[in-house]
Amino acid sequence: KDQVFQPSTVASSEGAVVEIFCNHSVSNAYNFFWYLHFPGCAPRLLVKGSKPSQQGRYNMTYERFSSSLLILQVREADAAVYYCACPGILTGGGNKLTFGTGTQLKVEL
Amino acid sequence: GAGVSQSPRYKVAKRGQDVALRCDPISGHVSLFWYQQALGQGPEFLTYFQNEAQLDKSGLPSDRFFAERPEGSVSTLKIQRTQQEDSAVYLCASSYQVGSGSRYEQFFGPGTRLTVL
Repeated sequence: KDQVFQPSTVASSEGAVVEIFCNHSVSNAYNFFWYLHFPGCAPRLLVKGSKPSQQGRYNMTYERFSSSLLILQVREADAAVYYCACPGILTGGGNKLTFGTGTQLKVEL
Repeated sequence: GAGVSQSPRYKVAKRGQDVALRCDPISGHVSLFWYQQALGQGPEFLTYFQNEAQLDKSGLPSDRFFAERPEGSVSTLKIQRTQQEDSAVYLCASSYQVGSGSRYEQFFGPGTRLTVL
């Protein structure tokens, strides 16, 4: 079964760098997608790809079956759930996303 | 600019009732997805449309779940004879592209929280 694994909780101090790790067993998946989700809001894509990349304070590391999201200069407002997802092939050429169970980031002041 | 919108945002149904959840994707987006997110879990794929064609419905949990997108834009997810285990957040996502090239992205709506009593 296609699965994505990530820790349920990660804690960080304000101003620090926090790392959230993800690995997968999704057939033929070569990309990672990292989403930020505040309850009641639409999940928002932070960074994605099949190589290391950076978008603002968000860095993504990449290996074939694993990725880490690094958040630089952590702020209290970053406390949310972060999802790792990998694309799987659908009939007709589309790509569904297989998500992990989400990592709750707790920020300690 | 309008993103993906969903309505209603919250729905409470009595067990056995039928419900209909609506998704308005971003204009011009070819692909549309429905996901189900149970409490404490990540979103799980339900079904996929490419324009008006439903190309994959392998994630629908039972034949009580039905989705349509008749004109290739707005989509409706219908759940018949709701059960307590149907309680979840239902997320809709749309994408301009079909494939998973470097620019591929799924844009999500805020979801509909369904509670079945």
